[in-house]
Amino acid sequence: GAGVSQSPSNKVTEKGKDVELRCDPISGHTALYWYRQRLGQGLEFLIYFQGNSAPDKSGLPSDRFSAERTGESVSTLTIQRTQQEDSAVYLCASSFYQIGKETQYFGPGTRLLVL
Amino acid sequence: AQKITQTQPGMFVQEKEAVTLDCTYDTSDPSYGLFWYKQPSSGEMIFLIYQGSYDQQNATEGRYSLNFQKARKSANLVISASQLGDSAMYFCAMRGSSFGNEKLTFGTGTRLTIIP
Repeated sequence: GAGVSQSPSNKVTEKGKDVELRCDPISGHTALYWYRQRLGQGLEFLIYFQGNSAPDKSGLPSDRFSAERTGESVSTLTIQRTQQEDSAVYLCASSFYQIGKETQYFGPGTRLLVL
Repeated sequence: AQKITQTQPGMFVQEKEAVTLDCTYDTSDPSYGLFWYKQPSSGEMIFLIYQGSYDQQNATEGRYSLNFQKARKSANLVISASQLGDSAMYFCAMRGSSFGNEKLTFGTGTRLTIIP
């Protein structure tokens, strides 16, 4: 079946502009995660959605970052007034919400460059 | 809080040899899951293997096995008979108890290079 898809694959923007990143999870996966990976570093957790529960926003670095999810499908991550330090790869992952099947499968990522 | 430590920033291994990538972790959760992911130069994160904290046996998936030593809080990845295609970044990650702490905490990674 289809994996996690993300769009756009690459985004170049100017400092101060808003950007919107999209994630389509694997069908049937109720949990969805956003991570950020700066160049040469590991992944940092940003936000987590599970069904209709309130999202876990504990990893969002500032109030310029927000995310939404429509039901158990598409999610969008929005970065307002982008800064150069926002340049990174933004990775989305999805998983089942079931003991023993929690493995997170990742999309190809969106490479964001803020000039 | 959870923490993953990978102390090997880079490793060079001869093709066909076995390689062990180190991972130690710290957590106060009574149950947790440990994962290894591979990230080739293309950037995708590929799931390799999973070990649950209460699993009695070490996990194995083809050429990958996880040497889980709970008392030492280590979860090393062993790749047998290494191949050129194994050259990539490898990340160890941890998830807390099944419900309420599902996000993954990642280590800084190990860059593995297989030498022909």
